[in-house]
Amino acid sequence: DAGITQSPRHKVTETGTPVTLRCHQTENHRYMYWYRQDPGHGLRLIHYSYGVKDTDKGEVSDGYSVSRSKTEDFLLTLESATSSQTSVYFCAITQREGGTEAFFGQGTRLTVV
Amino acid sequence: QQQVKQSPQSLIVQKGGISIINCAYENTAFDYFPWYQQFPGKGPALLIAIRPDVSEKKEGRFTISFNKSAKQFSLHIMDSQPGDSATYFCAAGPGGATNKLIFGTGTLLAVQP
Repeated sequence: DAGITQSPRHKVTETGTPVTLRCHQTENHRYMYWYRQDPGHGLRLIHYSYGVKDTDKGEVSDGYSVSRSKTEDFLLTLESATSSQTSVYFCAITQREGGTEAFFGQGTRLTVV
Repeated sequence: QQQVKQSPQSLIVQKGGISIINCAYENTAFDYFPWYQQFPGKGPALLIAIRPDVSEKKEGRFTISFNKSAKQFSLHIMDSQPGDSATYFCAAGPGGATNKLIFGTGTLLAVQP
């Protein structure tokens, strides 16, 4: 999986609790992305990062925040989890922009009850 | 929001047959069209990609056909094998910018022995 580790792999949490998902890469790639995957929606971009402390919103960013204090780590936080955030979350990395291959992690299955 | 429409939602093919998955996009500025393959419990992995300067690209048993005027592209899997059973996602975006890639909703392919 191209040196990408997502943690945890599975999590069940209660509505209203904060949750942080971690993506760790060993490739020293500049660009990192968080997607969510839901049936009937494919993959949708939540947030992405183009360098340490440089992040931007994606298509479905409401209710999520991110941080990147080191090249290798990209954190996704749900400040107050809701049932609509039950999903499979994928982290991806690319070496640069412009048609390069995106490598995905194995995903985190999050259930909000 | 620009869409990428993918069909069919699911597909059953006999071993040795041809699997065909179709995608249509709206934005004429898109010029990067990758296909991703995803096995259960894994993240998506790039299978093959095409740019609109060619109408077809072949890699082994996998071929992308591209019709710029119709704004459509398709994935053909020749001599389909049970090991090809997976979910396939098409995507489209401008200049290959990963943060602007729009994914289709996915096709679940089952190749029967």
